[in-house]
Amino acid sequence: EDQVTQSPEALRLQEGESSSLNCSYTVSGLRGLFWYRQDPGKGPEFLFTLYSAGEEKEKERLKATLTKKESFLHITAPKPEDSATYLCAVQAADRGSTLGRLYFGRGTQLTVWP
Amino acid sequence: SAVISQKPSRDICQRGTSLTIQCQVDSQVTMMFWYRQQPGQSLTLIATANQGSEATYESGFVIDKFPISRPNLTFSTLTVSNMSPEDSSIYLCSVVLAYEQYFGPGTRLTVT
Repeated sequence: EDQVTQSPEALRLQEGESSSLNCSYTVSGLRGLFWYRQDPGKGPEFLFTLYSAGEEKEKERLKATLTKKESFLHITAPKPEDSATYLCAVQAADRGSTLGRLYFGRGTQLTVWP
Repeated sequence: SAVISQKPSRDICQRGTSLTIQCQVDSQVTMMFWYRQQPGQSLTLIATANQGSEATYESGFVIDKFPISRPNLTFSTLTVSNMSPEDSSIYLCSVVLAYEQYFGPGTRLTVT
């Protein structure tokens, strides 16, 4: 069965303290790996899609990377406004998979304090 | 990107009643998706709704409990029927646009 595991469950960083979030996955054929940010009481906000091992994408202080078994979301010099839950999701390429059927991890709750 | 709105944003309902959640998108999309996010859990796909055809439900979800309508390319509804406290969740509408997937703000449902 496909699985997506995120670690750590929670992470507290001081402002400016860089770190990484991990998303490991087991899926029979990866079509894409997605990163989202979710603020309390809101829907997930799209950040990145990665399609193949070795691919990297950046947005402001965030950089996502992908290997054949895991993805990392690197946060450089975080600010308090980066505090949120970061969700990872995968889409399988097989099973007649429908675009839109994503398998989510439980997320990493990031808190950045000043 | 897609702008997605949902109504209501939250509701408190009594056991045994039904609630219909609306989802409106600012672009025409072929497929719309309904997800559920239970407290402390990951998002789980309920069903895929294509315009002009019946919705396709994931394992563990049935049409009698979660009937879906998709009358046009920008709108869909999800009904949570005969509710129980276990249905207390956030319900999210989602669309795929240019191979990127976007989510609505969610509807927070509490069943008492």
